[in-house]
Amino acid sequence: KAGVTQTPRYLIKTRGQQVTLSCSPISGHRSVSWYQQTPGQGLQFLFEYFSETQRNKGNFPGRFSGRQFSNSRSEMNVSTLELGDSALYLCASSLSGSGEQYFGPGTRLTVT
Amino acid sequence: QKEVEQNSGPLSVPEGAIASLNCTYSDRGSQSFFWYRQYSGKSPELIMSIYSNGDKEDGRFTAQLNKASQYVSLLIRDSQPSDSATYLCAVNPPGSYKLIFGSGTRLLVRP
Repeated sequence: KAGVTQTPRYLIKTRGQQVTLSCSPISGHRSVSWYQQTPGQGLQFLFEYFSETQRNKGNFPGRFSGRQFSNSRSEMNVSTLELGDSALYLCASSLSGSGEQYFGPGTRLTVT
Repeated sequence: QKEVEQNSGPLSVPEGAIASLNCTYSDRGSQSFFWYRQYSGKSPELIMSIYSNGDKEDGRFTAQLNKASQYVSLLIRDSQPSDSATYLCAVNPPGSYKLIFGSGTRLLVRP
């Protein structure tokens, strides 16, 4: 069974720009969660989607948004990028959201 | 108080020894607990899940859960240099669909 895939793997953006990251979950998984990982803050929860509905949101500003499509694929968007948004963005999929979550390889975002 | 706490390490053990990694959590109602391994430059990999008090064994790994003490641990028997990584403890708070992660413990297994 194929794992979680994320595109692109690497991105370099300039402050003020916006970015869209994509995630395809494991086949049959309907829950997709997004996390941000930085050396200083560790792994922090951004949001979780199930059947195209956002069920949980972390403590991030409104510049961070996401959505899920009917095929369970998910995208997250960050607008008006700041230097502090440089991080590894991880997507994780699970059957229901409250059980085991499996991570994709991540997207490394660098904001200059 | 952090929601999930881990000693950052590094924890250094000789090859063949037992490595013991510990984690405490603050939400007493939490029901699901997970251990992830993360190699440098890679994404976290799920290695163990545990939901009930007691021990759960999978190969060289044993997860231990004590809900009364709000304590989760991971034992790695016969540690190998390839086990050198950061181990992340994660907790699913009650009524939510997110994982709260500890800051991770870096494990070094000396040949």
